[in-house]
Amino acid sequence: QVQLQESGPGLVKPSETLSLTCTVSGGSIRTYYWSWIRQPPGKGLEWIAYIYYTGITNYNPSLKSRVTVSVDTSKSQFSLKLSSVTAADTAVYYCAYSYGVTWGQGTLVTVSS
Amino acid sequence: ETVLTQSPGTLSLSPGERATLSCRASQSVSSSYLGWYQQKPGQAPRLLIYDASSRATGIPDRFSGSGSGTDFTLTISRLEPEDFAVYYCQQYGSSPYTFGQGTKLEIK
Repeated sequence: QVQLQESGPGLVKPSETLSLTCTVSGGSIRTYYWSWIRQPPGKGLEWIAYIYYTGITNYNPSLKSRVTVSVDTSKSQFSLKLSSVTAADTAVYYCAYSYGVTWGQGTLVTVSS
Repeated sequence: ETVLTQSPGTLSLSPGERATLSCRASQSVSSSYLGWYQQKPGQAPRLLIYDASSRATGIPDRFSGSGSGTDFTLTISRLEPEDFAVYYCQQYGSSPYTFGQGTKLEIK
């Protein structure tokens, strides 16, 4: 069964860019699409974006102006960049297979100076 | 954007009882692309039900999903101690994908 693991800095300064990578193992990244989802502490879930292995993307309009997702099939990885972050972007960030069939364990990113 | 409203916000039941959770959409969910997730503290959500009524791999048959259009239900036939958690619905039929606000299932 496919497994996912998020990696990246746990602390980002306001106005800077949050960058995370998700590594896929136990299966091929060249299948279907892959998502990023976040959850602020104590709150609900928000879908951020997805990317097909071909590079086709779909973004949540609420974040579209600040988000970029990319895929590197040679490394079995896909990535998230969120620019101009504020405290409101503090959350656990999850990567997932498809709409949410399988999830990574999540990584807490705190935006603070 | 399709808004999903879950009810109740909190459900207090005892082990062995039946739980019924509701998810109502602001517009019809395309092709019944509606999923249910269970989330326990400190853990990632786990997919229970996809396409409104299909159980995900390894999910016990006490979990069932039903509904179409704008009204969906997750039923847990007989609650086990490990079922007490937060449950979310999600629609993935139209972009942006959206989640309900969650129902907390707590031990009475």
